[in-house]
Amino acid sequence: DTEVTQTPKHLVMGMTNKKSLKCEQHMGHRAMYWYKQKAKKPPELMFVYSYEKLSINESVPSRFSPECPNSSLLNLHLHALQPEDSALYLCASSQVGLAGGPETQYFGPGTRLLVL
Amino acid sequence: KQEVTQIPAALSVPEGENLVLNCSFTDSAIYNLQWFRQDPGKGLTSLLLIQSSQREQTSGRLNASLDKSSGRSTLYIAASQPGDSATYLCAVCEEDDKIIFGKGTRLHILP
Repeated sequence: DTEVTQTPKHLVMGMTNKKSLKCEQHMGHRAMYWYKQKAKKPPELMFVYSYEKLSINESVPSRFSPECPNSSLLNLHLHALQPEDSALYLCASSQVGLAGGPETQYFGPGTRLLVL
Repeated sequence: KQEVTQIPAALSVPEGENLVLNCSFTDSAIYNLQWFRQDPGKGLTSLLLIQSSQREQTSGRLNASLDKSSGRSTLYIAASQPGDSATYLCAVCEEDDKIIFGKGTRLHILP
């Protein structure tokens, strides 16, 4: 199974809503990632979890709150978002290499988020 | 600060031609470099990963090279097919595990 799944596929939310994005993999990968991708732009790294611990937070606003409840699951909790947060949110996972860095990343199909 | 540049931004070639996509990066202290393709509105599909100690990787019609000292990588696609039409992205993983993507090359293979 080389699949990363993400739910929901689409999400529309108001600026006062609280919602969560979910990502799951069963490849035994110990690193998981959240990216944000705006239209016609490359993905931008948001968070990295390695062995269920947050290892990288790329100065993401606190209205985005990641959570890694176990090695297969990664959540992104959303609260009080702004319209400019509308984007495709991509999850990825990878093995952790012998030197501690990421190996091949496998991406999910993404959640397309619209904030009204 | 690492910058990743991909040239050209867009490319159209007739079916059957061989082609080269370029990726350059400003800081050679990288852990690895990965090439992806992305179809419109979809997630990314990994094509090839090159470790910093490697010079090239091959998979089918694809060959990726890495010259770490000069900050360059190329993706060679042989005998292009219409199904190869997509955006191709290179991503550099730095030694502190941060990952930076180039803006991509939009490839269109003409039938």
